[in-house]
Amino acid sequence: EPEVTQTPSHQVTQMGQEVILRCVPISNHLYFYWYRQILGQKVEFLVSFYNNEISEKSEIFDDQFSVERPDGSNFTLKIRSTKLEDSAMYFCASWRGGNTEAFFGQGTRLTVV
Amino acid sequence: GENVEQHPSTLSVQEGDSAVIKCTYSDSASNYFPWYKQELGKGPQLIIDIRSNVGEKKDQRIAVTLNKTAKHFSLHITETQPEDSAVYFCAASKGNAGNMLTFGGGTRLMVKP
Repeated sequence: EPEVTQTPSHQVTQMGQEVILRCVPISNHLYFYWYRQILGQKVEFLVSFYNNEISEKSEIFDDQFSVERPDGSNFTLKIRSTKLEDSAMYFCASWRGGNTEAFFGQGTRLTVV
Repeated sequence: GENVEQHPSTLSVQEGDSAVIKCTYSDSASNYFPWYKQELGKGPQLIIDIRSNVGEKKDQRIAVTLNKTAKHFSLHITETQPEDSAVYFCAASKGNAGNMLTFGGGTRLMVKP
């Protein structure tokens, strides 16, 4: 069964450092997403991406965040200068479109120290 | 914006019993309601979804009901098995799987053998 894969599974970074979280969506999917879940809280939408541009973003997705699809397979989330409160599980998802389901990756646990 | 509340936060049942998880949503424009199961170390996986043009949907031991007037929807698992133990999330969106999902807080279901 096709799956969304995320790397790394766990990333520890110093406050103020830049991090890049990587995702490989399912190959024939067209829409890509990032969600995050702070420990003990709800899963929250960050951003959606279609046709090489952001289609929707939440208030959380401020100037510290950016997304990119640098080649035909990867989809990345960059946090420019990490804060302690960025510590969370980050999920990537992809969707083919139409009346189909969205698939989530297994997540990257980001710990900012 | 949309707000989704989910109850209970934890649920413990005996193997073979039924489990019911309830969610309410606030935005009457929401029309797509998926349920996700998340096992330890994995991302959310869709188990069933319902659209606002139907009131109930069933897939083997899993069913979902939707009351648009009251703005609530429920997940029903019958004949629970230990492998049903996981965290379950409800979500809502306007449109379909590719639109921004607003998640409930999750329910940790424990099925005791």
